[in-house]
Amino acid sequence: GENVEQHPSTLSVQEGDSAVIKCTYSDSASNYFPWYKQELGKGPQLIIDIRSNVGEKKDQRIAVTLNKTAKHFSLHITETQPEDSAVYFCAPYQGGKLIFGQGTELSVKP
Amino acid sequence: EAQVTQNPRYLITVTGKKLTVTCSQNMNHEYMSWYRQDPGLGLRQIYYSMNVEVTDKGDVPEGYKVSRKEKRNFPLILESPSPNQTSLYFCASSVMTGNTGELFFGEGSRLTVL
Repeated sequence: GENVEQHPSTLSVQEGDSAVIKCTYSDSASNYFPWYKQELGKGPQLIIDIRSNVGEKKDQRIAVTLNKTAKHFSLHITETQPEDSAVYFCAPYQGGKLIFGQGTELSVKP
Repeated sequence: EAQVTQNPRYLITVTGKKLTVTCSQNMNHEYMSWYRQDPGLGLRQIYYSMNVEVTDKGDVPEGYKVSRKEKRNFPLILESPSPNQTSLYFCASSVMTGNTGELFFGEGSRLTVL
């Protein structure tokens, strides 16, 4: 089946600390792994994605790492800031569509 | 400005009263989709459309209808709404019909069915 598990469901960090969110998927044929950020009252927005031919991708303070053998990929946010507070969704491409995880509510305390 | 526009943003209705949530995109995208967001369940796909006059069921299509008569518009129709359709709805579009490109989301429509 097309199973996606995202952990943790909530995460609270101090400003300046790092945050890591993990997403586990079931389809070994998956080849596209995006992360979306949803700010309060808005729709989700793509922040970073990775394809299966690379293991890591970085864009300033955010990075995504992929472990295809273990079937999981993670979002890393370094030097967190209050504006990073949001709900984050992984959405691996499985079975011909994006399957969204349950979401992680990140709170960055100043 | 490139955007996906949904209306209404908020709606309270009663069981059985037909309603339509409109969605329009100005990016000339082929692919459009509707999702519902419920606490602890993430976003679940209701219907999607690869192009004009082509629509397909997603994971939770029961109780919903869609149409794609024009490329820019993809309305969501609830013929006889029920309380279990109370949810936050998002329309999204993408340039890649293979669904591996960036999805652009609207700002959401919060629906309450009494």
